[in-house]
Amino acid sequence: DIQLTQSPSSVSASVGDRVTITCRASQGISSWLAWYQQKPGQAPNLLIYAASALQSGVPSRFSGSGSGTDFTLTISSLQPEDFATYFCQQAYSFPLTFGGGTKVEFK
Amino acid sequence: QITLKESGPTLVKPTQTLTLTCTFSGFSLSTSGVGVGWIRQPPGKALEWLALIYWDVNERYSPSLKNRLTVTKDTSRNQVVLTLTNVDPVDTATYYCAHRLLTSGSYWRYFDYWGQGMLVTVSS
Repeated sequence: DIQLTQSPSSVSASVGDRVTITCRASQGISSWLAWYQQKPGQAPNLLIYAASALQSGVPSRFSGSGSGTDFTLTISSLQPEDFATYFCQQAYSFPLTFGGGTKVEFK
Repeated sequence: QITLKESGPTLVKPTQTLTLTCTFSGFSLSTSGVGVGWIRQPPGKALEWLALIYWDVNERYSPSLKNRLTVTKDTSRNQVVLTLTNVDPVDTATYYCAHRLLTSGSYWRYFDYWGQGMLVTVSS
């Protein structure tokens, strides 16, 4: 199984901050990576797929980059509605796997 | 508009069989390329992919659960059913069903529409 390691596990930030979250795969997965946002009590919401493609309806302040084993989700200017937990997911091979999550909290 | 909703018991006893139904609308599981996945999330923990069932006869399962897990589809009723046998308290989780992403005619192994989720507790 491909393991995904996210860092940091939590980050404290303020509105307007630039926030960067990293996801590292245990083996190369090309660009087969997605990012999801999850708020308490809600289902995950797809933000980015294929490492850098912005899902329809997602604000442009979200961006993704990377290929191979190292990937990044960037929020260019954090908004109040962005405080949530973020998960990465690899789609390179079965079983599909998710990272452990990164919680973005108020500073 | 695509919607999905999970239904089933909220409490199951250890060793029993859990059966969850995902009822969806806005797409058909008889359409080429379409797939529905199951993902679960123990309280306060990360997401875990369980299975993916396709429009054709193909299914994929998590190896760690494959001996206990079955997913079937009822195309006429727009439903997908998950069956997990011999449940244990570690199977306590919110269970989600989700639609496989489609973009410009390409299907992906990502999930763009999710059900609201259903918390299932395994306890005696």
